[in-house]
This record gives sequence, structure tokens and C-alpha cells, in this order.
Amino acid sequence: KNEVEQSPQNLTAQEGEFITINCSYSVGISALHWLQQHPGGGIVSLFMLSSGKKKHGRLIATINIQEKHSSLHITASHPRDSAVYICAVDQGAQKLVFGQGTRLTINP
Amino acid sequence: EPEVTQTPSHQVTQMGQEVILRCVPISNHLYFYWYRQILGQKVEFLVSFYNNEISEKSEIFDDRFSVERPDGSNFTLKIRSTKLEDSAMYFCASSEARGLSEQFFGPGTRLTVL
Repeated sequence: KNEVEQSPQNLTAQEGEFITINCSYSVGISALHWLQQHPGGGIVSLFMLSSGKKKHGRLIATINIQEKHSSLHITASHPRDSAVYICAVDQGAQKLVFGQGTRLTINP
Repeated sequence: EPEVTQTPSHQVTQMGQEVILRCVPISNHLYFYWYRQILGQKVEFLVSFYNNEISEKSEIFDDRFSVERPDGSNFTLKIRSTKLEDSAMYFCASSEARGLSEQFFGPGTRLTVL
């Protein structure tokens, strides 16, 4: 069983829709990261969470430590949001354990 | 805005050869990491490095792999006796501190072993 599971694996939506990507993990963590991987392969850090909720522009990330679950939301989605979104957990040992990613496609 | 850089962007090598992948972390960062991503698979941790020592390494990081900070700016990953299965994208990352600290990723080096 993977330590980090994301759902859905693929998501296609229309421009303007509200997007939710989920991440569940089975291990104790010190922090959870949401990352964005562009088609060219580069990885950008979006959020690092250890509790509660963070917001940056149209992106919102939440985490429930008790339930070992995190969500990434995108409001008013846009075609430029199309990318792979990756959840990764930090078990406190200076290494990240990654989910398999969610491929998001936003159609105009 | 400071960024992590990696060279080369693409490296092609013959099986059995040695390769060195180079990274320049963000200048005030103290923790450095290498990750790899085989095509179509998830990103995997290889090694973390702090104070000129390896802090953690994964099972992937066998004795063919080594890391070094040869000067005040570069952080290198060396792979000896390359195998076909080493073909992957290799990402370098750095962070200011341990634990609750954002990691900043480089653009990656695509390694192709023929």
C-alpha cells in the first residue's frame, strides 16, 4: 500500500470550475507539501502545511492531521492551471514521500 | 527571485559510464536533496545532505551513488557504472532549515543511459 494516495489520478474540468484534489497518507508526518509539476517537468512548491489551512491567490490547501487527509482547492480554474499536482509528506527525516500525482486539465 | 539551477538539462551516457549532475542551491540554504523521477512514475527521494554529510538516504542510493559539495555553491550527484534503469529525471532541491521548511526544486536533469 502506498504511503501517500491521491485522488483523482486524472481530472478534466471546464474553465471557471472549482477544483478539489485529495491526498490521504498513512504515516505520521511533520508537514505536508503540495507541489505543481509543469508539462516540461519542473516542480514548483505551492504550499507547506502542518495544520489548518493556507491560501495563496486562487489556491487553498487544507489539512486534517487526525484524519490524515489534505485537500488542494483551485477556485475559478483557468487553462494555465493545467499541470500535475503532487502531494508529498515529510516524516520529519528530511525526506519527502510523494504521491503519484493528479493530472489536471482545464479546458477553455 | 533566487532559484535552484541544474546542469546539464539533458545528459546522455553509455551504460557503465560515470556521470556527474550539478546543482547550485539557493545561496542561504543549508539543506540539500536529490530526487529522481522515472518517466511516468512518481518522484522518489534519493538523499539529503547537511553540513557536508549525508543526513538520510533511500534504498535507491546504493554504493554507485555519491554526493558532494565541492565548493561553497555547487552540490553534485555522481553515479558510477550507470545502468539502463538509472534513466530518469533527477531533481535537486534545497531548503533553509530542517523539517518545517519549504523545499525549492531545480528544473531537473534528464539522464538517458543507453
